[in-house]
Amino acid sequence: EVQLVESGGGLVQPGGSLRLSCAGSGFILSSYWMNWVRQAPGKGLEWVANIKPDGSERWYVDSVKGRFTISRDNAKSSLSLQMNNLRAEDTALYYCATDPGGYYPRFEYWGQGTPVTVSS
Amino acid sequence: EIVLTQSPGTLSLSPGERATLSCRASQSVTSTYLAWYQQKPGQAPRLLIYGASSRATGIPDRFSGSGSGTDFTLTISRLEPEDFAVYYCQHRGSSFGGGTKVEFK
Repeated sequence: EVQLVESGGGLVQPGGSLRLSCAGSGFILSSYWMNWVRQAPGKGLEWVANIKPDGSERWYVDSVKGRFTISRDNAKSSLSLQMNNLRAEDTALYYCATDPGGYYPRFEYWGQGTPVTVSS
Repeated sequence: EIVLTQSPGTLSLSPGERATLSCRASQSVTSTYLAWYQQKPGQAPRLLIYGASSRATGIPDRFSGSGSGTDFTLTISRLEPEDFAVYYCQHRGSSFGGGTKVEFK
């Protein structure tokens, strides 16, 4: 059974940092693009970042460029999101999701999310 | 950057009725890059359709996707009680539309 389990969320002050993790099991993580998607309270889905299977490419939504860094450890079947200089507008539930990429990109598997609250 | 606009924002229907949801792209997109998701309260999104018209594993055949260019449609042929949820379209594994909520009339 495919499982994605996020962790590392919590309450942080504006300007602070947080590192999210996503542990994958039941599939070969190294075969997939991996993504972070967030959802602010009562709002829609927002793609945040992704990383190529071998880690050689990383892409970010404009609003987090220079502040967030996505990384992966295929040997440990894990994905991370380092979030620095956090803002109130980064408050959201953060999901990790798999994407086989190629000609039919799609987010097949999702975790249950980890909440991040940025507030003083 | 491709912007996806979904309409209507809310669709009020009864079980057994047909639901037609629209997703319009700001410029022509490759149809293989268009996906649809369903999200229920308190749950993670679930992949329904990819490549504009291919159903994901385990998705009932009352769900169908169509379209090309800038206009795409998700159709639920006969709404079941479990289909009342929010639906999102997505382009090329990144940007999402704003969502359409299908609610009980």
